[in-house]
Amino acid sequence: QVQLQESGPGLVKPLETLSLTCDVSGGSISGYYWHWIRQAPGKGLEWLGFVHHSGTTNYNPSLQSRVTISADTSKSRYSLRLNSVTAADTAMYYCARGAGWTPEFWGQGTLVTVSS
Amino acid sequence: EIVLTQSPDTLSLSPGDRATLSCRATETVTNNFLAWFQQKPGQAPTLLIDDGSYRAPGIPDRFSGSGSGTDFTLTISRVEPEDFAMYYCLQASHAPLSFGGGTRVELK
Repeated sequence: QVQLQESGPGLVKPLETLSLTCDVSGGSISGYYWHWIRQAPGKGLEWLGFVHHSGTTNYNPSLQSRVTISADTSKSRYSLRLNSVTAADTAMYYCARGAGWTPEFWGQGTLVTVSS
Repeated sequence: EIVLTQSPDTLSLSPGDRATLSCRATETVTNNFLAWFQQKPGQAPTLLIDDGSYRAPGIPDRFSGSGSGTDFTLTISRVEPEDFAMYYCLQASHAPLSFGGGTRVELK
């Protein structure tokens, strides 16, 4: 059974870069789409983007080119970088895997707070 | 970008009731690439239905999905106590992927 585990700083200062990692265990990175999705406190879900194992990426244009998602197949992990964060980026961040574009299987999430 | 509108915002039901949740898209969701998720407080979302009508592994058959084009429905035939939660639809036919705003199914 595949397991996904998000990790990274729980507190990021405004205008700095948010960096998170999703470690994949119990399965291969190859052949799947690897997503990042977030949920602000008390709000709905927002898709940030995905990386395919081939390196193809697709991002939500609402993030205005602040986001980068990359995969390290040798380490079975993938990463999220979000530049120039503000308080509006405070959220629970989830990584998720999909055989197609649908994120079928999710990690438990990691809370990131943007504050000075 | 495809915008998904879920209705109602809140559904107040008793155990054993039938639940009907709606998800309407501003454009055609091609190939029925429409999924439904359940989210309980403090937990990650769980996939219930994929491709409009296919139950994910381990999902009870009281959950069913239907619809095509721009109108989709999630039905819970008889609500169980563990079904009180938030429900979200997601379209995965066009980038950017987009979620509906959610429907809360609460105990009446």
